Amino acid sequence: DGGITQSPKYLFRKEGQNVTLSCEQNLNHDAMYWYRQDPGQGLRLIYYSQIVNDFQKGDIAEGYSVSREKKESFPLTVTSAQKNPTAFYLCASTPGGLGVYGYTFGSGTRLTVV
Amino acid sequence: AQTVTQSQPEMSVQEAETVTLSCTYDTSENNYYLFWYKQPPSRQMILVIRQEAYKQQNATENRFSVNFQKAAKSFSLKISDSQLGDTAMYFCAFMKANTGANSKLTFGKGITLSVRP
Repeated sequence: DGGITQSPKYLFRKEGQNVTLSCEQNLNHDAMYWYRQDPGQGLRLIYYSQIVNDFQKGDIAEGYSVSREKKESFPLTVTSAQKNPTAFYLCASTPGGLGVYGYTFGSGTRLTVV
Repeated sequence: AQTVTQSQPEMSVQEAETVTLSCTYDTSENNYYLFWYKQPPSRQMILVIRQEAYKQQNATENRFSVNFQKAAKSFSLKISDSQLGDTAMYFCAFMKANTGANSKLTFGKGITLSVRP
């Protein structure tokens, strides 16, 4: 079945460490997105990518980095510069130019700083 | 920039009854799309319904319908015959039209809906 796979489901990070969240899709979608969800804050856009080897910052990109080397993959790295990384992270995708029909979401990764 | 406001953080409804979730938005755009997403306890985001701003007719999907008031910039979701499985967080979201590959969703803060048996 086609869909978006996010891994791991739970991730723990020590202070000062970089961690990478995986997002893979087999929907042949061109566009991919990363959102952060905090209680009472809704979903906020971190980064998005419309095509391979191209990506743009969203509203809260500081402390995060991404890459888009393959159409299927859009990993998110949470760097040590992100001061409050504990949150739920959601990856999404849409066919190119067809985002108006809504996004397909992954099941999310819960990141906790220990 | 667009903003989406969901002013009610929580609501509760008796099973089989009807409930309306409120959403307002602010934009200078004339063409756009509005969405309601559901996030159950599994945290999987599910698209409930979408509305195209240039269509006056309100969208419906089975038990879910919207009341879209463009002039008032209001987009409420009505759930009829509420079921226990409707218990979830509901997010209202906005997307500008004609952005092609740059389609981005702006979300409200969400509302937690509890359906009581």
